[in-house]
Amino acid sequence: KQEVTQIPAALSVPEGENLVLNCSFTDSAIYNLQWFRQDPGKGLTSLLLIQSSQREQTSGRLNASLDKSSGRSTLYIAASQPGDSATYLCAVKGSSWGKLQFGAGTQVVVTP
Amino acid sequence: EAGVAQSPRYKIIEKRQSVAFWCNPISGHATLYWYQQILGQGPKLLIQFQNNGVVDDSQLPKDRFSAERLKGVDSTLKIQPAKLEDSAVYLCASSSGRGMGRETQYFGPGTRLLVL
Repeated sequence: KQEVTQIPAALSVPEGENLVLNCSFTDSAIYNLQWFRQDPGKGLTSLLLIQSSQREQTSGRLNASLDKSSGRSTLYIAASQPGDSATYLCAVKGSSWGKLQFGAGTQVVVTP
Repeated sequence: EAGVAQSPRYKIIEKRQSVAFWCNPISGHATLYWYQQILGQGPKLLIQFQNNGVVDDSQLPKDRFSAERLKGVDSTLKIQPAKLEDSAVYLCASSSGRGMGRETQYFGPGTRLLVL
C-alpha cells in the first residue's frame, strides 16, 4: 500500500528566503506526482504535475523535482512572499486510472 | 469559467442524524470526485464518477455513505446516520476525463461538517 509522507508538518520562513518542501512515497511504481496548494477555507489548487518519466517541472518561481528510485519529490519556491503562506500537499497516482494518494501536507508561513 | 460549486459550506449536526452535500462540477467535466479531509490529514478519495457511472468507491463506507450523480452532471453525497468520526471537510473535484490520468482536478471550496 502506498504511503505518502511530508516532513516537516509546519515551517516558518522570513520573506525572501527560498522554500524547500519534501515529499516521500514508499512505492516507486508511480504514474505521476502532483503538488497542490490549499488556502484556509478553500479547496486545493494544482501547482505542478510531474509524470513518472520526468525529472522536474517548473512554473514561475516554483520548481518540483522527482526521484522515483529514492521515492522522493521536492518542491522549491524561490524568493518566498507572504502570499505563499498556505498548506502544500503532494499526491501520487499509481496508474492512469488510479486514485490520488495525498500526504498530510506542510503548513507554510512566510513572515514579512 | 465558473469553478466547482459546493453547498452548504458549513453544517453542524448531532450524531445519528443524516446530512447531504451537493456539488456542481465545472461545465463539461466528465469526472467527479468526492474526498474526505479530516483535520491534519490529506484528502482521501471516497468515490469517483465517470459521467454517471461509478469508477472507484473502494473507500466509501457504504453502510452509511451514499452518493449519486444523476444525468452525469451534479452530484449529492449523503451520510446516514452520521458518527462523530465523520467530522471533516468534504471536498468535491472535477476533471475533464480526457487526459489519460494526467488532467488537472479542480476542487470546490468544500463543506465543513461537525458532528456533535
